[in-house]
Amino acid sequence: KQEVTQIPAALSVPEGENLVLNCSFTDSAIYNLQWFRQDPGKGLTSLLLIQSSQREQTSGRLNASLDKSSGRSTLYIAASQPGDSATYLCAVNAGNNRKLIWGLGTSLAVNP
Amino acid sequence: DGGITQSPKYLFRKEGQNVTLSCEQNLNHDAMYWYRQDPGQGLRLIYYSQIVNDFQKGDIAEGYSVSREKKESFPLTVTSAQKNPTAFYLCASKTSSSGGNTIYFGEGSWLTVV
Repeated sequence: KQEVTQIPAALSVPEGENLVLNCSFTDSAIYNLQWFRQDPGKGLTSLLLIQSSQREQTSGRLNASLDKSSGRSTLYIAASQPGDSATYLCAVNAGNNRKLIWGLGTSLAVNP
Repeated sequence: DGGITQSPKYLFRKEGQNVTLSCEQNLNHDAMYWYRQDPGQGLRLIYYSQIVNDFQKGDIAEGYSVSREKKESFPLTVTSAQKNPTAFYLCASKTSSSGGNTIYFGEGSWLTVV
């Protein structure tokens, strides 16, 4: 059974720091992995989608990597800003196309 | 603007009542989903639909019902059989149910039982 774990559960950093959020999954037979952002009381916004054949994806200050063999993905945020404060979730598409397996998220606070 | 609209944003339900949450998308997506989000738990899939007039149960379908009469609309009814309905409900859609596409979410609906 696929399980997705995100560490740490919460993170507080000063503005300007580069930071890494981690996502691990137990079954390497994935179709793709996605990172999302969720602001309090809001819906989710897709940040990056990495197909199983890809190693990384970049969008602005965000870079996501995927290592299927080790069951890990990282989301790198460069030069963090207070506006980056949110919960970041990762979800694995395990090939059963209807269903994403979700982590619990990392709650990020970037302090001015 | 293209997107997913959920309504109402906040809803209060009395014990024993059925309530319906609306989800409308103008993205021309075939696949639509309903998730429930509770504190300390990951998103859980309630129902999903891959095409008009067809839908399947997710992991926690008991106490819920859906319909998919139009491509744009996927309403969720929370029935009185759902024993713990207080939660944040999220509707989502994708171009198709095949795995390579990004999934888009609405802004969510808060349901509280009073």
